[in-house]
Formats: sequence, structure tokens, C-alpha cells
Amino acid sequence: QQPVQSPQAVILREGEDAVINCSSSKALYSVHWYRQKHGEAPVFLMILLKGGEQKGHDKISASFNEKKQQSSLYLTASQLSYSGTYFCGTSNQAGTALIFGKGTTLSVSS
Amino acid sequence: GAGVSQSPRYKVAKRGQDVALRCDPISGHVSLFWYQQALGQGPEFLTYFQNEAQLDKSGLPSDRFFAERPEGSVSTLKIQRTQQEDSAVYLCASSSRLGSYEQYFGPGTRLTVT
Repeated sequence: QQPVQSPQAVILREGEDAVINCSSSKALYSVHWYRQKHGEAPVFLMILLKGGEQKGHDKISASFNEKKQQSSLYLTASQLSYSGTYFCGTSNQAGTALIFGKGTTLSVSS
Repeated sequence: GAGVSQSPRYKVAKRGQDVALRCDPISGHVSLFWYQQALGQGPEFLTYFQNEAQLDKSGLPSDRFFAERPEGSVSTLKIQRTQQEDSAVYLCASSSRLGSYEQYFGPGTRLTVT
């Protein structure tokens, strides 16, 4: 079942922060975050495997609450290069299929 | 090294024609995935290969869709008797690990069925 992302779109000025949420009605075994710029391929950001796990990548970090079946992506002090569509993906237990949400479009302006 | 490449980058097919889309994964990557991405939507999983074995084809929308990876490297996605609803970008991704871990995506093939 497809994870649900919120919000659908975010508009920021450079330096502002944003949070993108991803939730599922089914048990989550892992959560994957990708960013896709218009007309380009998705690019891997990070994967979270364990409940309560947090990871960081420069000023982008994420948390994964296994019990609540939720993950959040935190973008701190946003830069123009952060613009794009962010997708969360959830894997089945076997790890053979990755199901993506509909995406959250982030627009950062100067 | 080179990333994932896909060919052709654009394909226009008349309804009813068969098409074949090629994916060259990163050398040595054991896992290979195919996705279909409609405009404004997230990638939708089609199928997964571990080396030459097709371990998951649960996302293939109909028996008109067929994928193969005979030697565990290059993969081909074939769509028979194309329909207008098949119009989308078809993305291929590969990974050095088993399963749905860090995936490197190719640029995609944009298929337009007229």
C-alpha cells in the first residue's frame, strides 16, 4: 500500500526550515527518501532501517518511528539546491519492492 | 564510473505496437529495478531482479509487460500491444546490495503511445 506524504507542496525562502512527513497504514520495515529535480532521475538521500532511528546528511535529517509507522524528513536552513520533489518509499518485508508516495514538492526561493 | 544508462531516451509508439526498453546498470550491481512514473506521480514499482533471477514481478500491470535480465547485467523491459495508458517515463535503478537499498536511477525512457 502506498505511503501517504504531507504536505503536498512547500514554498520556502532560503534559510527556512521544512518538515516532510510520510506515514503508512501497514507495518514499515524500512523508509527510503529520494529527491527528484524536474526532468531528472530520483537521487537517493537516505534509508532508515530501525524504529526510532535518525540519520543526517548535511542539513537534511530524518527520523523513523516504527510504532507510529511514520517517518519525517527535516530540511534545515534550506538552500536553493534543495528545490525538487521529495519521495518517501517503503519496502516490503522481503526487500524486493519499494513503494513510493506521491511526493512533496519543495520550492526554495532567494 | 558510469552511471545507469537507458535507451532509447524517448520512444513514440503507435497503439498496438510492441516496444523494448533497455537498461544498462552500474557494472557489478546485483539488484535491478524497473519503475513506471506517470506525470506528477511517484515512481511505481514494476519488477525486481537479483542477478538474472526475477524475484518480484508483482508490480507489472498486465501480461503485456515482460522483463528479462538473462546474464545478470543488461535488462530489457518489453511492452506488447502498447496502449495509451502505457505512456509514462520508465525508470531503471540498480543497487550493489541485495534488495531495496540505495538505488541509483537511470535517466529514464519517456514512452508516448499515440
